[in-house]
Amino acid sequence: DQQVKQNSPSLSVQEGRISILNCDYTNSMFDYFLWYKKYPAEGPTFLISISSIKDKNEDGRFTVFLNKSAKHLSLHIVPSQPGDSAVYFCAARYNAGNMLTFGGGTRLMVKP
Amino acid sequence: GAGVSQSPSNKVTEKGKDVELRCDPISGHTALYWYRQSLGQGLEFLIYFQGNSAPDKSGLPSDRFSAERTGGSVSTLTIQRTQQEDSAVYLCASSLFGQTYEQYFGPGTRLTVT
Repeated sequence: DQQVKQNSPSLSVQEGRISILNCDYTNSMFDYFLWYKKYPAEGPTFLISISSIKDKNEDGRFTVFLNKSAKHLSLHIVPSQPGDSAVYFCAARYNAGNMLTFGGGTRLMVKP
Repeated sequence: GAGVSQSPSNKVTEKGKDVELRCDPISGHTALYWYRQSLGQGLEFLIYFQGNSAPDKSGLPSDRFSAERTGGSVSTLTIQRTQQEDSAVYLCASSLFGQTYEQYFGPGTRLTVT
């Protein structure tokens, strides 16, 4: 039973446009949500996080939105750049616990 | 400053053999995590160490898997009697105490069991 789901395995966007990556979760006890970016043959790199008590967090070109009633979060990248092409993982922490639960990832391709 | 390092980067082993995977966390990070990523899947939590506390082993898939952390720093993940379904990328991460929400990952070890 996947508690964190990324329903789009891939997304293609033109350079300069907005990329929107989506994530759904089922467990209302998740208290922190994170986005990681992963290039081939490298470990995931932490991008941005949001506490469950907030609905938006922004860091430069990256903004994460959290809709608790819909159990949905999204990552917006504006403007998208070719270097953003990677696999993006959504992750959630359960109630101040010790581990993260990851979604299956979305491959983003930003075309020049 | 150095990030999380893992060795080896690639390991090919025959079914039934034992393997050891090593992780060196970021200096000063007291929390250490092991995950694995099977082909086409997300990351799956395996085990968590925090300081000298007993590890959280709730994610280990079977008793063939074990891990230790010596001196609160380097960790070794051991898989005994490897099976083909153990083939995956094994990722180690570390964080400051209590900052589970900001984990830093190593490059991983790709394990192939033939």
